[in-house]
Amino acid sequence: EAQVTQNPRYLITVTGKKLTVTCSQNMNHEYMSWYRQDPGLGLRQIYYSMNVEVTDKGDVPEGYKVSRKEKRNFPLILESPSPNQTSLYFCASSFLGPTGNSNQPQHFGDGTRLSIL
Amino acid sequence: GENVEQHPSTLSVQEGDSAVIKCTYSDSASNYFPWYKQELGKRPQLIIDIRSNVGEKKDQRIAVTLNKTAKHFSLHITETQPEDSAVYFCAAHNAGGTSYGKLTFGQGTILTVHP
Repeated sequence: EAQVTQNPRYLITVTGKKLTVTCSQNMNHEYMSWYRQDPGLGLRQIYYSMNVEVTDKGDVPEGYKVSRKEKRNFPLILESPSPNQTSLYFCASSFLGPTGNSNQPQHFGDGTRLSIL
Repeated sequence: GENVEQHPSTLSVQEGDSAVIKCTYSDSASNYFPWYKQELGKRPQLIIDIRSNVGEKKDQRIAVTLNKTAKHFSLHITETQPEDSAVYFCAAHNAGGTSYGKLTFGQGTILTVHP
């Protein structure tokens, strides 16, 4: 089954304790992206990757790191989490940028709810 | 960078009525405009999209219109049903820009369809 898998799905942690949210896709997609979703603010792009070893900032990259060492994985790293990073996070992937292609649009994971106390 | 404004933030309609959600964008170079539906507790899913070379696109009860001059686009849902209740997001993308991977979303509209 084609899917984007995020782990963990839920996490409660404390300020300053480094954490990593993993994202893995099994569709051989070149493009992967991270978004955060907050009430009243919609979805905001954190980082994206057009291909292996190619990453770029989205609109809200501060406080986050990413890496793309292999095609299927795109982890999101919070080196020193703070309460303002409490949010719902989505990873997404597609063959060709955020537009996908005519048959396969950008596919989202199920989301990771982070609470940072 | 791109800025997308979406209105209204909440919309309540009776079953069978039409619903319209509007978005404006700031970057005149944006040329791809998708709409996503997110049901409660679920992931966003693409429901319809439009590119800047067309003014309107329709898929059964859903249609999207684009006015490039005014830099706004709208989602139209006709004959609404309770299962249309969800959060809807618009987005804008510049497929010809140097930041090809960027996608900017609106703030979302909570649509409630009352039986």
